[in-house]
Amino acid sequence: GIQVEQSPPDLILQEGANSTLRCNFSDSVNNLQWFHQNPWGQLINLFYIPSGTKQNGRLSATTVATERYSLLYISSSQTTDSGVYFCAVAPSGNTPLVFGKGTRLSVIA
Amino acid sequence: DTEVTQTPKHLVMGMTNKKSLKCEQHMGHRAMYWYKQKAKKPPELMFVYSYEKLSINESVPSRFSPECPNSSLLNLHLHALQPEDSALYLCASSQGRVEKLFFGSGTQLSVL
Repeated sequence: GIQVEQSPPDLILQEGANSTLRCNFSDSVNNLQWFHQNPWGQLINLFYIPSGTKQNGRLSATTVATERYSLLYISSSQTTDSGVYFCAVAPSGNTPLVFGKGTRLSVIA
Repeated sequence: DTEVTQTPKHLVMGMTNKKSLKCEQHMGHRAMYWYKQKAKKPPELMFVYSYEKLSINESVPSRFSPECPNSSLLNLHLHALQPEDSALYLCASSQGRVEKLFFGSGTQLSVL
């Protein structure tokens, strides 16, 4: 099956810093989503982005489908950005999402 | 309304108990999902319902029994669980199978 690798596994930032999270995948996809799981367990969908670039406030994402990677950018990080960021992908067809292991982000005031 | 509502938020049950987890969405989504998540791990897919029919069962033990009474509701019936089944159980929904996925806040289950 498709493999999903996220890097880095852990990241500690000072409040106000910027960061880039990466998601590599092993096959072509027709579905790629980024999620944030807060410390209380709630999973929030950040982006549905099988290709191209999207922005939402301080967050933006870019997927280069031909090169099999996606990047999530967090600018001016805040303590509320702490949690785990998951990338999830599905190969072409009607198959379920496969989640990466996540990047655990801690933003320190 | 972009919410997926799960009840209860917390559940403690013994290995001989029968309990049910409930999930509701009013976004008109036609696909609904159950995931299981252990601490410090990604969510693992358990079941997918599409148009109220079970379309995927990821080899889940029969002590977990899903039910989709209508297009807005999804239940997970639990019976004779084991302590290793303790986890966060997440419900999710999407308009179609290749669409944005929305999660509920989960039920934290402890099996004693």
